[in-house]
Amino acid sequence: NAGVTQTPKFQVLKTGQSMTLQCAQDMNHEYMSWYRQDPGMGLRLIHYSVGAGITDQGEVPNGYNVSRSTTEDFPLRLLSAAPSQTSVYFCASSYSPSGRAYNEQFFGPGTRLTVL
Amino acid sequence: AQSVTQLDSQVPVFEEAPVELRCNYSSSVSVYLFWYVQYPNQGLQLLLKYLSGSTLVKGINGFEAEFNKSQTSFHLRKPSVHISDTAEYFCAVTLPSGGYNKLIFGAGTRLAVHP
Repeated sequence: NAGVTQTPKFQVLKTGQSMTLQCAQDMNHEYMSWYRQDPGMGLRLIHYSVGAGITDQGEVPNGYNVSRSTTEDFPLRLLSAAPSQTSVYFCASSYSPSGRAYNEQFFGPGTRLTVL
Repeated sequence: AQSVTQLDSQVPVFEEAPVELRCNYSSSVSVYLFWYVQYPNQGLQLLLKYLSGSTLVKGINGFEAEFNKSQTSFHLRKPSVHISDTAEYFCAVTLPSGGYNKLIFGAGTRLAVHP
């Protein structure tokens, strides 16, 4: 299994440009999430999905869109990039509890985004 | 609402010395607690977790953590660190739930192990 994969690894955008960060998992996990990591702030949840066709907002959703058309893929779209969106973005996946109250989240390697 | 405070942003330590990384949380209800490790230029990896039961939890790479409900703490310890333990460590909390578990992360502690 490749686990959770993210592309690209690095990206530089100009203010106002749009782009899509790709995330895919091959573990048949139902749950997928996007986080951003900023110095001194840990990771903050942007959006998450509990299954194909179902998404919800996290702590910092503004300026980002998501969709989940398949179990495997969970792309994150920046509609009009701003310097405040310069960050490292992590995608994570986990399987649904199936009666258990917690399942481990598996993280991808991250995408480092710079917005000029 | 839950929150996590990691009391040290950076911890320098010499190789083979013991280390403790401190984590306090706030919550009015029972929570699950986690430590994640992030090696340079990599994603996060689960180190250990506390869900219930014994308050002393053992994880990978010789790390352990102790859950203290009265002090709302979940400190991470290792009796003898190695150079390869140099990484950033994140404490996180979530509510027990039958559904999606939203993780709340602390700001992170950068552990630097020196020879």
